[in-house]
Amino acid sequence: QKEVEQNSGPLSVPEGAIASLNCTYSDRGSQSFFWYRQYSGKSPELIMSIYSNGDKEDGRFTAQLNKASQYVSLLIRDSQPSDSATYLCAFQGAQKLVFGQGTRLTINP
Amino acid sequence: GAGVSQTPSNKVTEKGKYVELRCDPISGHTALYWYRQSLGQGPEFLIYFQGTGAADDSGLPNDRFFAVRPEGSVSTLKIQRTERGDSAVYLCASSWAGSNTGELFFGEGSRLTVL
Repeated sequence: QKEVEQNSGPLSVPEGAIASLNCTYSDRGSQSFFWYRQYSGKSPELIMSIYSNGDKEDGRFTAQLNKASQYVSLLIRDSQPSDSATYLCAFQGAQKLVFGQGTRLTINP
Repeated sequence: GAGVSQTPSNKVTEKGKYVELRCDPISGHTALYWYRQSLGQGPEFLIYFQGTGAADDSGLPNDRFFAVRPEGSVSTLKIQRTERGDSAVYLCASSWAGSNTGELFFGEGSRLTVL
């Protein structure tokens, strides 16, 4: 079993709709979770972090964490073509971040 | 420089050759990471430096891989007797004091192709 599981996609969403990205993890001891965005041919960049159960909102982005279910999600409201990218879920392991394989998201104008 | 700098950006080599990849982190960042990313996959951890020492090298796939950071700044990832399976983008990242905040600043990567 992989430490972080994500649906590789591609996930296609019409412009203006809500994009929902999901991630499960295996390490019950993990306390910190992160979403990175990676444009094609570019390096990953941090867009959201979440440490507590519940929702965390930042602009059009909402991260959701459920530690009991070992589940993390990212919602993107009012999706824009510029949101088209691969979204990587990661958790804080011992002294390093452990990444999932990423979900490729395409926003269709 | 303003960001993490990696050289070369592209490297094509033949099977069995030796390769060095260089990473120049953001000034003042004490933590430095090497990851490897294959097509369609997420970054795979290789090694973590805190200062000059390798705090965690558990991700290095075998003894053909070695990394150094002699002065606590620039790091070099060294790959001996390269194999076709080593082809990937090698990403370097740095941060102020480890990954507790989750914010790693990545370079643009070195794309290694082993023929």
